[in-house]
Amino acid sequence: EVQLVQSGVEMKKPGESLKISCKGSGYTFDTYWIGWVRQMPGKGLEWMGIVHPADSDTRYSPPFQGQVIISVDKSISTAYLQWSSLKASDTAMYYCARLRAVAYYGLDVWGQGTTVTVS
Amino acid sequence: IQLTQSPSSLAASVGDRVTITCRARQDISSYLAWYQQKPGKAPKLLIYAASTLQIGVPSRFSGSGSETDFTLTISSLQPEDFATYYCQQLDSYNSLTFGQGTRLEIK
Repeated sequence: EVQLVQSGVEMKKPGESLKISCKGSGYTFDTYWIGWVRQMPGKGLEWMGIVHPADSDTRYSPPFQGQVIISVDKSISTAYLQWSSLKASDTAMYYCARLRAVAYYGLDVWGQGTTVTVS
Repeated sequence: IQLTQSPSSLAASVGDRVTITCRARQDISSYLAWYQQKPGKAPKLLIYAASTLQIGVPSRFSGSGSETDFTLTISSLQPEDFATYYCQQLDSYNSLTFGQGTRLEIK
């Protein structure tokens, strides 16, 4: 079964650092991009950025550039999203999802989400 | 690239035909996907490349459009279709923006 499994619930204080993970299985991990999506409480989906495991090519959505770091370790089929100094406004659900390529594809497999609470 | 969905919310009955619109600020060819999200769940891909049905998605869902104007149609609403729907443009890796969402509720 193709799946993305994300790390668990996080409760942090402002100013703390955090790294959450997304582990792929059931497919060749380095043939799909992994993207990250934020969903703040009661709000819509926001695109954060994307990384390709084969070469670690990383692209950020402008609002998130400099605010987070997206990385990947293809040896363990895992992508990461990290913050160096959390803010209360980072409280949200974070999803990872895979993408074959832009243009004629979509985010076809999603992780279950990681809840991050900063308070 | 900004996407604008309409309506923002919609009330309909089981069996109704429903259409949701997504408008792009610039030409994105057919690089558009639609997702369904139910409360507490991850989004689910319904349609990609504007009109291609994802495997396993019921045929009552269909997508159309190109360039700047796109629609998602549900031909006969079922109880499990009440959810929030999002469009997403896939024109560039640098920004794969979503629409603001359309909440579909039971009338």
